[in-house]
Amino acid sequence: GQNIDQPTEMTATEGAIVQINCTYQTSGFNGLFWYQQHAGEAPTFLSYNVLDGLEEKGRFSSFLSRSKGYSYLLLKELQMKDSASYLCAELDSNYQLIWGAGTKLIIKP
Amino acid sequence: IAGITQAPTSQILAAGRRMTLRCTQDMRHNAMYWYRQDLGLGLRLIHYSNTAGTTGKGEVPDGYSVSRANTDDFPLTLASAVPSQTSVYFCASSDSFEGEQFFGPGTRLTVL
Repeated sequence: GQNIDQPTEMTATEGAIVQINCTYQTSGFNGLFWYQQHAGEAPTFLSYNVLDGLEEKGRFSSFLSRSKGYSYLLLKELQMKDSASYLCAELDSNYQLIWGAGTKLIIKP
Repeated sequence: IAGITQAPTSQILAAGRRMTLRCTQDMRHNAMYWYRQDLGLGLRLIHYSNTAGTTGKGEVPDGYSVSRANTDDFPLTLASAVPSQTSVYFCASSDSFEGEQFFGPGTRLTVL
């Protein structure tokens, strides 16, 4: 099967920058998604990368390297409301999403 | 309604009982999905439907069935619930099978 690896938990300070990494298996790759999930709520879409490079969207950016099977989500100017889990998901060869377990991001004042 | 809704919000169910989780979307999305989310694990796909009238099995389909009689509705049925089916269930939809997925608020199911 395919494995999506991302850190279980990260801590950062309000106003700072944090990078959440994700690695995936490269066979049959059709795109990489990032979702945000606040505790007790549904996941919501953040970004989609299918080509190499950086996609910037406000305070959030997402990077993809297809040859390395690697992506990261960069969050700038962290706010307390950014405390959430961040889910990495690969769109596989069957166009189904394979999800990582998520990275719980804790923001401290 | 706007978006995607699920019912019930939560349910406690005795083992062996039959249960249907409801999901409705009003975005006219072609594709719909059922996931379960368990602590420490990623979302796992149970069943999916790429268009009305068709369904497919995901990663963990055993013990679950679905139907897609029309575009809007995608119910998930547990024929005979077991404790290992205790989980949070999310329904999602997307305009195409490779597009962004929109999630419902989830159903928290406990099987005793």
